Amino acid sequence: AQKVTQAQTEISVVEKEDVTLDCVYETRDTTYYLFWYKQPPSGELVFLIRRNSFDEQNEISGRYSWNFQKSTSSFNFTITASQVVDSAVYFCALIGNNRKLIWGLGTSLAVNP
Amino acid sequence: EAQVTQNPRYLITVTGKKLTVTCSQNMNHEYMSWYRQDPGLGLRQIYYSMNVEVTDKGDVPEGYKVSRKEKRNFPLILESPSPNQTSLYFCASSSTSGGVDTQYFGPGTRLTVL
Repeated sequence: AQKVTQAQTEISVVEKEDVTLDCVYETRDTTYYLFWYKQPPSGELVFLIRRNSFDEQNEISGRYSWNFQKSTSSFNFTITASQVVDSAVYFCALIGNNRKLIWGLGTSLAVNP
Repeated sequence: EAQVTQNPRYLITVTGKKLTVTCSQNMNHEYMSWYRQDPGLGLRQIYYSMNVEVTDKGDVPEGYKVSRKEKRNFPLILESPSPNQTSLYFCASSSTSGGVDTQYFGPGTRLTVL
């Protein structure tokens, strides 16, 4: 069975701190895709990144970076120099051979001024 | 602008009164899906469609119907809504029929059934 675990339910930081959101996944598929989405207080779901299982390169996009490690089945997300606008719920998700998007329960990040 | 739209954004209704939530995408995507989001339960798939006239059940299809008569539209129908269908609903679309490409989401529809 496939599973995505986001062990951190809530995180609170002060602005300008770095913060890492953890994502651990389980799958027996050799080909799969991992995603991160952001859900701000306004409620919409915003796509952040998609990574396939054959690409373990870390990715950086501005203040956001992602660390994909197949050895530990993790796909962690780091926000550098956090800002109040980063306050949101962040979801990690996995899709494998069954074409079904499996979601973690999300991590609620509060960035305080 | 490439987008998924949903209407209405907010809806309060009463038990048993049929309703339809519309979903439309302008990206020529083959795959479309409906999810509901509930506290503590995360996002759960209701129905999905690989292409026109092809629909299938997700994890929680009971009490819902869908249709896919046109590629761009994928309405969600609640024939006889009940209070346990109070939820935040999202429509999503993806460019591949297998759904493995990135799913882009609509803004959400917050439904309250009294």
